[in-house]
Amino acid sequence: IAGITQAPTSQILAAGRRMTLRCTQDMRHNAMYWYRQDLGLGLRLIHYSNTAGTTGKGEVPDGYSVSRANTDDFPLTLASAVPSQTSVYFCASSDDAGGSYNEQFFGPGTRLTVL
Amino acid sequence: GQNIDQPTEMTATEGAIVQINCTYQTSGFNGLFWYQQHAGEAPTFLSYNVLDGLEEKGRFSSFLSRSKGYSYLLLKELQMKDSASYLCAGMDSNYQLIWGAGTKLIIKP
Repeated sequence: IAGITQAPTSQILAAGRRMTLRCTQDMRHNAMYWYRQDLGLGLRLIHYSNTAGTTGKGEVPDGYSVSRANTDDFPLTLASAVPSQTSVYFCASSDDAGGSYNEQFFGPGTRLTVL
Repeated sequence: GQNIDQPTEMTATEGAIVQINCTYQTSGFNGLFWYQQHAGEAPTFLSYNVLDGLEEKGRFSSFLSRSKGYSYLLLKELQMKDSASYLCAGMDSNYQLIWGAGTKLIIKP
């Protein structure tokens, strides 16, 4: 693989169900991010990780959790999905979380619908 | 608060020039990014400015004025493939990106 992959590509989920969105990068980037993108709104940061073993909350963390057990993987879990979590989810990574030149590379996205 | 403003939609003609404006307000400032996003795809990096002035990269240029909290993306010799959304994002003091809602650019023949 090259770059960032996400799985699944799309998913329809019943409300109340648990769901994990997967994200894997092979660029050995230190920092990883989860965003949601909704029509008419900018990308909103859910959670981030500056390096393996650490995570932080973004702008809209409620209802979501993440883990960063190693450099490559950064799964996002919805413990009990609600319809307001219907969105397109993008995972991204960057080489250095603390640098001002901090180009983020994005995965292809997961389109999630919660009914 | 932190905020990024950019027009919702713009229309331009193939072969012409278009300027997409962005005003930003962030807690601290560590640079201004522009990304391109085609419909149904992921955003891809276009440019980064941290100092005042113009950065040119082929048909695309980006300008920054820190004193005015203002940036623009200039696209020259427009091609149909430039039809996309253009996202402006400011980096705050915590090195987090604050994103605008994006400008949808429609190119007409």
